[in-house]
Amino acid sequence: DVKVTQSSRYLVKRTGEKVFLECVQDMDHENMFWYRQDPGLGLRLIYFSYDVKMKEKGDIPEGYSVSREKKERFSLILESASTNQTSMYLCASSGGTDNQPQHFGDGTRLSIL
Amino acid sequence: AQSVTQLGSHVSVSEGALVLLRCNYSSSVPPYLFWYVQYPNQGLQLLLKYTTGATLVKGINGFEAEFKKSETSFHLTKPSAHMSDAAEYFCAVSLNTNAGKSTFGDGTTLTVKP
Repeated sequence: DVKVTQSSRYLVKRTGEKVFLECVQDMDHENMFWYRQDPGLGLRLIYFSYDVKMKEKGDIPEGYSVSREKKERFSLILESASTNQTSMYLCASSGGTDNQPQHFGDGTRLSIL
Repeated sequence: AQSVTQLGSHVSVSEGALVLLRCNYSSSVPPYLFWYVQYPNQGLQLLLKYTTGATLVKGINGFEAEFKKSETSFHLTKPSAHMSDAAEYFCAVSLNTNAGKSTFGDGTTLTVKP
């Protein structure tokens, strides 16, 4: 079974801090994704990566950056955390073809105080 | 471009009743369609997918969905609801021109009453 592991289930940070969310997958998937999930807004794509060192902006990239130095690891970075970034963050991975489903981690619930 | 509409953000059924969760999509090319389930404090899990071939797709936990091209729909059904089916359900569409990205619906929360 594919396993997508997010480094923290719950995280509390302060406004202005630089925050790193880590995600690792064990199935050699080409594609990796970061979403945020907020009540009533569904899943919104922040960034995705289709290969090592390759990234593409999603629907809401402002205030975020990403890093993919190794195929199995995809990091989301909040450059200067703000309270409106309090949310559930979900990482996912998928194989290289478009008919492949995404496999999700259990999420990181991030609170910015 | 593609989009997904899930009709009804909340659906409530009695245990043992039919579950019907509605999903309509729009796309300019043949889509790949997925249903995912999310239990509280967990990520999404794949229930079933339609890529090509048979339009009636069976998934896990007794769920199935039928791809109807003429109606641009992919509704999710289960003949008899169980308490453990209470969760949030997401419909998603992917295209072969989209580099692996999916567009997700806003989700439908299913409540099962005893």
